[in-house]
Amino acid sequence: RKEVEQDPGPFNVPEGATVAFNCTYSNSASQSFFWYRQDCRKEPKLLMSVYSSGNEDGRFTAQLNRASQYISLLIRDSKLSDSATYLCVVNRYNFNKFYFGSGTKLNVKP
Amino acid sequence: NAGVTQTPKFQVLKTGQSMTLQCAQDMNHEYMSWYRQDPGMGLRLIHYSVGAGITDQGEVPNGYNVSRSTTEDFPLRLLSAAPSQTSVYFCASTSGRQGTVREQYFGPGTRLTVT
Repeated sequence: RKEVEQDPGPFNVPEGATVAFNCTYSNSASQSFFWYRQDCRKEPKLLMSVYSSGNEDGRFTAQLNRASQYISLLIRDSKLSDSATYLCVVNRYNFNKFYFGSGTKLNVKP
Repeated sequence: NAGVTQTPKFQVLKTGQSMTLQCAQDMNHEYMSWYRQDPGMGLRLIHYSVGAGITDQGEVPNGYNVSRSTTEDFPLRLLSAAPSQTSVYFCASTSGRQGTVREQYFGPGTRLTVT
């Protein structure tokens, strides 16, 4: 079983829509969680860390559900510039490895 | 700060050739790593290092060697290139220490084609 699983999409949404992605992780010992954004043919860049209490950064909200072992990312008022692939990443504190999902592709259309 | 730099940006090799992908960071991070990214596979860890002189294998280490003689540099060597190594290679440098929340900073990538 993969460490991290994501729906590859694509999610095709109109500008202004709200869209949500989920990501599941298999190891309950995972302790830090992130969402990265990757534009076509570019390197991944950190979008936001995911904290146990949930966190918000502008139009983006991340949630963690430890009981069900999933992480979510909610994007409100989608912009054309949000079109990208969103990668879910988990890390266990006592291991020096990060595990990446294969990404969810978002297309925001005019 | 330049962050994480990688060279070359593009490379074409013939089967059996060897080459070294260069990676450098100027953030004084102890932890560095190499990933490859293939369509539909996400990023897979090749090798990583927790400090100068210390390296370890990741998920897909076969066919690759690494060394870490300084904190700044972490080169990846392809010993005898194979078409299966055609991929995009990313180097990453990670802030924080084991036991804390850590964030990764990626280089711009090297697109490698092996014919």
